[in-house]
This record gives sequence, structure tokens and C-alpha cells, in this order.
Amino acid sequence: RKEVEQDPGPFNVPEGATVAFNCTYSNSASQSFFWYRQDCRKEPKLLMSVYSSGNEDGRFTAQLNRASQYISLLIRDSKLSDSATYLCVVQSNDYKLSFGAGTTVTVRA
Amino acid sequence: EPEVTQTPSHQVTQMGQEVILRCVPISNHLYFYWYRQILGQKVEFLVSFYNNEISEKSEIFDDQFSVERPDGSNFTLKIRSTKLEDSAMYFCASSEMAAEAVDTQYFGPGTRLTVL
Repeated sequence: RKEVEQDPGPFNVPEGATVAFNCTYSNSASQSFFWYRQDCRKEPKLLMSVYSSGNEDGRFTAQLNRASQYISLLIRDSKLSDSATYLCVVQSNDYKLSFGAGTTVTVRA
Repeated sequence: EPEVTQTPSHQVTQMGQEVILRCVPISNHLYFYWYRQILGQKVEFLVSFYNNEISEKSEIFDDQFSVERPDGSNFTLKIRSTKLEDSAMYFCASSEMAAEAVDTQYFGPGTRLTVL
């Protein structure tokens, strides 16, 4: 079983739409959780950390369900600039990051 | 805003040659990492480095690979004898390792390694 699994998409949505997607992780001892975004051939950039109680950063909302071992990301009022690959990232107690393969989101005008 | 820098941005080498990829982590960070991403695939952990020694390494990080912090600012990844399958984007990352906070890793722009 892969450490981190994501729906690869692509999710093609119009501007202003809401898009949501999940990932699952296999290591129940995982400590920290993140969403990074990656633009084509660029480095991963931290979008937000994910906390147990769920958290929001502007138009982005992340949820964590430790019992079911899944993490979600919701983007409201999508912008063209939100087009990217979203990486679900899990950190274990040895501090290394395990990446999902990414979910591709394309926002169209 | 401080950032991780990497040089070169693109390295082309012949199979069997040695390459050294260079990184300058964020200055107050204590943990350093190398990851790689083969084209079209996910980002994979290679190695973490703390207090001048390797703290964790993956199966990918075999005897062909080594890391070093030769001075107070640089962090290098050496591949001793490159293979075609080493062609990938190599990302350096660093983190502050705050004891009571979520430890966020910040990534450099990457070095694209092409082995011919």
C-alpha cells in the first residue's frame, strides 16, 4: 500500500467554483500533515499545515480525520491562479516528508 | 523573505561522471534534506542531515550518494558515478526544527540533472 494516495484528477473547474479532494495515508503514527502546491517543473511550496481541528486560510480549508487516516482540501471561489498540482504530504516522527503523487486542478475562465 | 537557493539550475552530465549539487539552506535552519522527483513521478525523500551527520536516509540513497556540509552555509549532494536513472529534479529543503511547533520544510528551486 502506498504511504500517501491521492486522486490524480484532473479536476477541471470554472472560475468561482468550489473544488475539493482528499488523500489517504497508511502510517497511523504520522505526526504532521500538509498541503503543498507545485506548479509545472517548480519546487513544492507550502500551502498550509493541517491541524486535527481543521483549519482555514482564506479560500482554502483543510480537514484531518486521524481515525480514517484521510486529509482533505477544499478551495472556494477558485481563481485561475489556483491551477496547479496539489501535493498531500505526511510527516512521520523521523521528520522526513512522504508525498502523494498530487492532484491536478485546472481552473478555466 | 529568506529562501533556500540551489545551484546549478540545470546540470547535464555523462553516465559514470560525478556530480555535486549545491544548496544554501535558510540561515537559521538546523535540519537539511534532499529530495528528488523523476519527471512525471512523485517527490521522494533521499536523506536528512542534522548536526553534521545523516539522521535518516531512504533506500534510494545508496553508496553512490553522499552529503556534506563543507562550511557554515553550503549543503551538498554528491553522486559518485551517475546512471541514466539518476536523471531527475533534485530539491534541497531546510527546516528550523522548532521543538514545539509543526516543523515546516522549505524547498529550494531545484537542480534538474540530466544524465546522458
